[in-house]
Amino acid sequence: DVKVTQSSRYLVKRTGEKVFLECVQDMDHENMFWYRQDPGLGLRLIYFSYDVKMKEKGDIPEGYSVSREKKERFSLILESASTNQTSMYLCASSLGGQVSPYEQYFGPGTRLTVT
Amino acid sequence: QQQVKQSPQSLIVQKGGISIINCAYENTAFDYFPWYQQFPGKGPALLIAIRPDVSEKKEGRFTISFNKSAKQFSLHIMDSQPGDSATYFCAASIGYGGSQGNLIFGKGTKLSVKP
Repeated sequence: DVKVTQSSRYLVKRTGEKVFLECVQDMDHENMFWYRQDPGLGLRLIYFSYDVKMKEKGDIPEGYSVSREKKERFSLILESASTNQTSMYLCASSLGGQVSPYEQYFGPGTRLTVT
Repeated sequence: QQQVKQSPQSLIVQKGGISIINCAYENTAFDYFPWYQQFPGKGPALLIAIRPDVSEKKEGRFTISFNKSAKQFSLHIMDSQPGDSATYFCAASIGYGGSQGNLIFGKGTKLSVKP
């Protein structure tokens, strides 16, 4: 079974803090994604990566950065947390290439509260 | 043109009834249409998916109906059960790998099945 793990289920941070959210997948997937999920807005893509050290902006990258130093690990960084970044953050991975490339496997999510 | 529009936002169905969730898209280049199911406290998980070369796909009580000319697809849950209560997301994607393999998600439908 594919497993995507996220470092924390719940996180409370103060405004202005630097926040790191970690994601690890154990299936040698090429692609990794970070989404935020808000009620009524669905899943919005923040950043994605289709190779080590590669990253591309998604739909809402402002206020975020990412790091992918190893294939299995994809980190989301909030440089200076703000209250409007309070949300559920979901990490996902997919195989990539031309064999079943589309299915994304999601982690359980990190609920981040910024006060 | 990249949007996927999902309706309704919420749905209440009696046990044993049929649940129907609809999605519409504009971009005719989309070639993969999955549905994801998300239970509270969990990440979304792939439920069923269809390619545009077929008009219907059935897996157990779950059926995707696809209308290429109308650019619409829908999820039907037959004999709905309280255990089906979850949030459902439709999605669409283009191509293989890289940024073209990204999923565009609808905003989600919260389904409640009453006993």
